[in-house]
Amino acid sequence: DTEVTQTPKHLVMGMTNKKSLKCEQHMGHRAMYWYKQKAKKPPELMFVYSYEKLSINESVPSRFSPECPNSSLLNLHLHALQPEDSALYLCASSNYGTDEQFFGPGTRLTVL
Amino acid sequence: GQSLEQPSEVTAVEGAIVQINCTYQTSGFYGLSWYQQHDGGAPTFLSYNALDGLEETGRFSSFLSRSDSYGYLLLQELQMKDSASYFCAASSGNTPLVFGKGTRLSVIA
Repeated sequence: DTEVTQTPKHLVMGMTNKKSLKCEQHMGHRAMYWYKQKAKKPPELMFVYSYEKLSINESVPSRFSPECPNSSLLNLHLHALQPEDSALYLCASSNYGTDEQFFGPGTRLTVL
Repeated sequence: GQSLEQPSEVTAVEGAIVQINCTYQTSGFYGLSWYQQHDGGAPTFLSYNALDGLEETGRFSSFLSRSDSYGYLLLQELQMKDSASYFCAASSGNTPLVFGKGTRLSVIA
């Protein structure tokens, strides 16, 4: 299985809602990533988990809260988001220390 | 900090060859990767260069010159399906990938 899956594909939420994005991979990768991508822009790194521990937080606002329950799963908990947080949220995984990242299809998030 | 520069748009004719350049400024540089992203899709890995020289994978080749802080992606025998955005990305030390702003390739008939 060489696939990263993400759910949901689309999400519309209000600024007071709490929601979660989910990501799963079964390639045995020990590095997992969350990216945010706006239209016509490159992916922007948010968080990195290495061996299920948060290793990098790129100064992301606390309304985004990542969680790595086990080596296959990665969640991104969302609370009190702003309209400018509307974007494509991409999950990726890789073997630790390598640059070949496998991306999921993303969750298209709209904050009203 | 790290920064990468690549052209914003390139147009090429079906069947032709196109080169997308990338220059980088990265402390502790490890290697340069290339990713392809179709509209509405996710980035997919194309190639990685850590050493100087050319790496070939089918119709795609990637080149790196560490002394010039420069690399390029070469696409041969262009097909319509190659129309996409192409990102160069650099890694360094324990810092994960930093992506360039992307080059939008349009292949025309």
